[in-house]
Amino acid sequence: EAQVTQNPRYLITVTGKKLTVTCSQNMNHEYMSWYRQDPGLGLRQIYYSMNVEVTDKGDVPEGYKVSRKEKRNFPLILESPSPNQTSLYFCASSLGSGGAYEQYFGPGTRLTVT
Amino acid sequence: AQSVSQHNHHVILSEAASLELGCNYSYGGTVNLFWYVQYPGQHLQLLLKYFSGDPLVKGIKGFEAEFIKSKFSFNLRKPSVQWSDTAEYFCAVNAVSKLVFGAGTILRVKS
Repeated sequence: EAQVTQNPRYLITVTGKKLTVTCSQNMNHEYMSWYRQDPGLGLRQIYYSMNVEVTDKGDVPEGYKVSRKEKRNFPLILESPSPNQTSLYFCASSLGSGGAYEQYFGPGTRLTVT
Repeated sequence: AQSVSQHNHHVILSEAASLELGCNYSYGGTVNLFWYVQYPGQHLQLLLKYFSGDPLVKGIKGFEAEFIKSKFSFNLRKPSVQWSDTAEYFCAVNAVSKLVFGAGTILRVKS
């Protein structure tokens, strides 16, 4: 089944404790991205990757890192999480970049930083 | 910069009522437009999309949207909503390397 998977689905952590949220897709998609969803703000892009070893900042990249060492995986790293990073995070992938391609979303990761 | 504005944050309807959710965008170039839906506890799913051609596009579950270029709008419609349409709806517009989303409209359908 074609899908985007994320782990963990729920995470509660403390300020400053490094964490990684994994994202994997099995559709051989070139483009992957991370969004955060906050009430009243919709989804905002954090980082995106057009292909292996090619990543770039989205609208709200501060406090986040990503890597794309393999086509299927695109982990999101919070080196020193802070409470303002409490949010719902979605990973997405598509065949190519830009709006011409449908983006497929993962199930989401709800992160709470205390 | 591209932006998307959704007119209503919360909409409450009774079953069988008609639905129209407003979406306006600002973007200088050729646009691709999308409506995504997020059912409670689930991830986003594509409802419908407009790339070119007929400005009236039909999507899944009886939804349709009309692209009006002169008004920079892409409103979502459904003639008769069901309780199962309770969800959050997001309008999105393409940009060079990303989708830009509106803030979302939470629809609650009363049975």
